[in-house]
Amino acid sequence: DVKVTQSSRYLVKRTGEKVFLECVQDMDHENMFWYRQDPGLGLRLIYFSYDVKMKEKGDIPEGYSVSREKKERFSLILESASTNQTSMYLCASSITRATNEKLFFGSGTQLSVL
Amino acid sequence: DQQVKQNSPSLSVQEGRISILNCDYTNSMFDYFLWYKKYPAEGPTFLISISSIKDKNEDGRFTVFLNKSAKHLSLHIVPSQPGDSAVYFCAASDRGGGSNYKLTFGKGTLLTVNP
Repeated sequence: DVKVTQSSRYLVKRTGEKVFLECVQDMDHENMFWYRQDPGLGLRLIYFSYDVKMKEKGDIPEGYSVSREKKERFSLILESASTNQTSMYLCASSITRATNEKLFFGSGTQLSVL
Repeated sequence: DQQVKQNSPSLSVQEGRISILNCDYTNSMFDYFLWYKKYPAEGPTFLISISSIKDKNEDGRFTVFLNKSAKHLSLHIVPSQPGDSAVYFCAASDRGGGSNYKLTFGKGTLLTVNP
């Protein structure tokens, strides 16, 4: 069964902290994505990666960075957390570039920045 | 600029009836459309998709209709069941436009199916 695992379900951090959100997929998928979901705004793409050590900006990359050192792992980094980054963060993967649209999502990390 | 619009934040239907969820898009370059379903505390799951070369795709109780001229698609669920209660996201991509197959999502519609 396809599995995308996000390391934390809930996370509470303070303003200015450096925050790491980890995501691991066990399906040998090429592509990995980070989205955030906010009420009334839907899902918005932060960053994505088509290969190890490769990254591309999504629609709202400001304030975030990513790391993909291994194929199965994609990390989202908030260099200095701010209250407007309080959100539900969803990691996703897809098999190849040609089937990019069929995403497999993790269960999400609800991040609160105080 | 919202390129994928789901204008109904919520929809309530009776069990056994038809649920119709609507989605409009503004980018004429979109050529592939998907619906995802999301339960609380879970990630979205892929439900059904349609290419712009078709106007209908069916999978069991779920049918998606595409009207390219109106830039409109709809998801029909027949018959609706209480387990269908979830948030439904419409999504679109521009496969031919070099956008790396990125998905653009709508804001979602919360469907509640009452027993």
